[in-house]
Amino acid sequence: AQSVTQLDSQVPVFEEAPVELRCNYSSSVSVYLFWYVQYPNQGLQLLLKYLSGSTLVESINGFEAEFNKSQTSFHLRKPSVHISDTAEYFCAVSDRDSGAGSYQLTFGKGTKLSVIP
Amino acid sequence: ETGVTQSPTHLIKTRGQQVTLRCSSQSGHNTVSWYQQALGQGPQFIFQYYREEENGRGNFPPRFSGLQFPNYSSELDVNALELDDSALYLCASSLGPLDTDTQYFGPGTRLTVL
Repeated sequence: AQSVTQLDSQVPVFEEAPVELRCNYSSSVSVYLFWYVQYPNQGLQLLLKYLSGSTLVESINGFEAEFNKSQTSFHLRKPSVHISDTAEYFCAVSDRDSGAGSYQLTFGKGTKLSVIP
Repeated sequence: ETGVTQSPTHLIKTRGQQVTLRCSSQSGHNTVSWYQQALGQGPQFIFQYYREEENGRGNFPPRFSGLQFPNYSSELDVNALELDDSALYLCASSLGPLDTDTQYFGPGTRLTVL
């Protein structure tokens, strides 16, 4: 069984400061990793994903995450946050070798990022 | 390209009642997944439908059931509602059921069971 741990439930940070949202996963098989963002009163939007290849993945709005297999982590970072980044961020994992032709995402409990002006 | 829509946005039911939640997938997406998000928790996988058949199920009892229609719409039905069923229900559509197919989420239906 897979599980995802997001170590911080809330992260306040000043505008233009860097931020790191932590994510650790537990799985007995190879995995795909995702970060989703949920703005108030909206659905989840895919921010970035790691499927294979380079362990560093980037989003179009300046976020990046690095897959670290030895530490089973997929932390999300941004060097300089904006007010518009205020949202809840969810880390998720799926079984790479499900074989059943279907896959389910297992989510963490989320981290609320609050950017302070 | 239209996004994923869900209806209704909010719903209040009492224990023991039945409820149907609806989802309209993006055109061309033949896979829909449903998730339950309790307050303060991450979404939990309920089940997935691919080409109108159930194609995977999470740890939810049989009173949670679904349907998928050829017109890219789908339903989640919950019978014998319990208080713990109060949650945000999310549907997500994707081109296919593979791990590499990105899931696009709707805004959710907030269900309150009294």
